[in-house]
Parts: sequence; C-alpha cells; structure tokens
Amino acid sequence: GEDVEQSLFLSVREGDSSVINCTYTDSSSTYLYWYKQEPGAGLQLLTYIFSNMDMKQDQRLTVLLNKKDKHLSLRIADTQTGDSAIYFCAERENYGGSQGNLIFGKGTKLSVKP
Amino acid sequence: NAGVMQNPRHLVRRRGQEARLRCSPMKGHSHVYWYRQLPEEGLKFMVYLQKENIIDESGMPKERFSAEFPKEGPSILRIQQVVRGDSAAYFCASSPQVQPTSDGYTFGSGTRLTVV
Repeated sequence: GEDVEQSLFLSVREGDSSVINCTYTDSSSTYLYWYKQEPGAGLQLLTYIFSNMDMKQDQRLTVLLNKKDKHLSLRIADTQTGDSAIYFCAERENYGGSQGNLIFGKGTKLSVKP
Repeated sequence: NAGVMQNPRHLVRRRGQEARLRCSPMKGHSHVYWYRQLPEEGLKFMVYLQKENIIDESGMPKERFSAEFPKEGPSILRIQQVVRGDSAAYFCASSPQVQPTSDGYTFGSGTRLTVV
C-alpha cells in the first residue's frame, strides 16, 4: 500500500535554514501537502504542491518536488523558535472509493535552538 | 466562520466504557474524515463520510468502532467497550468536495482519548 516516510527529528539553530525531507510511494498522487502540528493542537495546513510542479515558494517556505524519485522537501528559511513543531508530509490518495484520503508520514519533530 | 469543531477536547474513559467523539464540519462542508493519531505516530485514516452515508471505512477497526454523519447534527465517532490501546488523539477533518483540490482539509483540534 501507499507509504510516506520522513526522518523523525531535526535540530537547527535560530536563523538557519531547515530542510525536512519526505518520500512517498503513490505515483498517482495529485497533491502533496505539508502540515504543522504544535503541541496539543490540531494540524495546520502550511503549503501544498501540485504534482506537475517542481517547486513552490511561499514567503519563508520552499517546497521542492522530485516526481521521478518521489521525493518532497520543505525548506524553512530563517528558522525561528516559533517554528518548533512536528511537520507532517501527506499525499492524497487518488483512486476508487478512497479518493481524497490523506496518507501521512510519521512527522518530523523540528527543534529550533536559540 | 467557525472552523471544524470537535468536542470534547479531552475524554477519559475506563476500560469497557463507551466513548463518543463529536465533529461539526465547517459551514458548507459536506465531507467528513476521521483520523487517529497514536502516540509518536502520524495520522491514520479511519473513515470518510458524507451526509447520511459512509463512503469509505477501510481504516476503521471492524469491531467496537462505528461512525455516522446524520442529516442534522455533528458527525459522531463511537467506540464501544474501550481498551487501553484506543488511547489516542482523534482528529476530524472536513472538505467541501471530494475531487482533489489544492485545499488540504481543514482539521479540528482533536479529541484526546485516554483509557484508564
């Protein structure tokens, strides 16, 4: 079945760039998403990329998609302590009755040190 | 325009009791998804509902779990005879349509179920 893999931890210093990586398996995915979860909170959609795009930039966030390798990355420029959270990569199932379900990775816990 | 509302935020149940989790989708959204997040895990799909219909329940355990989304009122996820392994955060998400769109779903803040 579909699977989404992420590294579990990332630690950076404030002001540095953070790069969170993700690999997925469903080549028919149309949209890929990055969500942020702060402690005790729900998921907040950060950004998304359509599968026919290679890159998307949104203020401090840059998403890169390598469709051939099924690799997705999220770069956060000038990382701040407020960026400390768990970041989830998700792909959207695109077949049969499951059309629309999201498949999540286990999340990458980003720690930002002052 | 309120977001997806889930209640209660925290729920404690003893083993063998029933847990009822409620989700009110965003206004205008007719599709509801339930996900479960076990400790240190990502979210796992459980069930997808439209008004009065279960569309896909492939992620829901066959026993003790049920879900509904009535014509009026919130969607309910019911867990009967809870066990310790049911302890998790349960998230509801809603969307206005099922076709793939740029919008990820809107998630609620979740219900954290603790079984003691």
